[in-house]
Amino acid sequence: NAGVTQTPKFQVLKTGQSMTLQCAQDMNHNSMYWYRQDPGMGLRLIYYSASEGTTDKGEVPNGYNVSRLNKREFSLRLESAAPSQTSVYFCASSQRSQNEKLFFGSGTQLSVL
Amino acid sequence: GNSVTQMEGPVTLSEEAFLTINCTYTATGYPSLFWYVQYPGEGLQLLLKATKADDKGSNKGFEATYRKETTSFHLEKGSVQVSDSAVYFCALKTGANNLFFGTGTRLTVIP
Repeated sequence: NAGVTQTPKFQVLKTGQSMTLQCAQDMNHNSMYWYRQDPGMGLRLIYYSASEGTTDKGEVPNGYNVSRLNKREFSLRLESAAPSQTSVYFCASSQRSQNEKLFFGSGTQLSVL
Repeated sequence: GNSVTQMEGPVTLSEEAFLTINCTYTATGYPSLFWYVQYPGEGLQLLLKATKADDKGSNKGFEATYRKETTSFHLEKGSVQVSDSAVYFCALKTGANNLFFGTGTRLTVIP
């Protein structure tokens, strides 16, 4: 019963470096999401994928790209990391689009120096 | 637009104390309301929900009532335990939009 698995759990980058955050779910969910969590800001939606083959921008998409590789996997890429992207990133999935019951991974703590 | 305002944390309580975490909202249309909980080192998980006015959501001893007249959805528990220490997020959803989360309130329960 793995649920939503994110890798890595921790990452430190230098400004300008690139990296990809990986996310996989084993619940056969159609929809997947990437959020960032910042102190005093709550969770903000970066991108989401309503179904395999589709992706859409959320509230704060600038500086990020996503790939819905298949039904299970949804990756988030930072092409040129900036200190403002220091945050905790959560991947989530749901059975269908705009569903209120989201299942979250345990998060990736990213620091950009 | 949509917004969720939660009481400022952190909140520290002794075991068996009564808990209230305030949440008020602004929304277009008629939102559904939710409480999510994030235990240390874990992702968020749905705690309870209410989909229309006067509904009461409940789970694990927690309750929240959807009050349309005061646009509130306060979380309550009669007797907290150390294991309830977590961050609690109020959230809303309107129509076909995605969930919109509040800033979270950290609760620490001490023995």
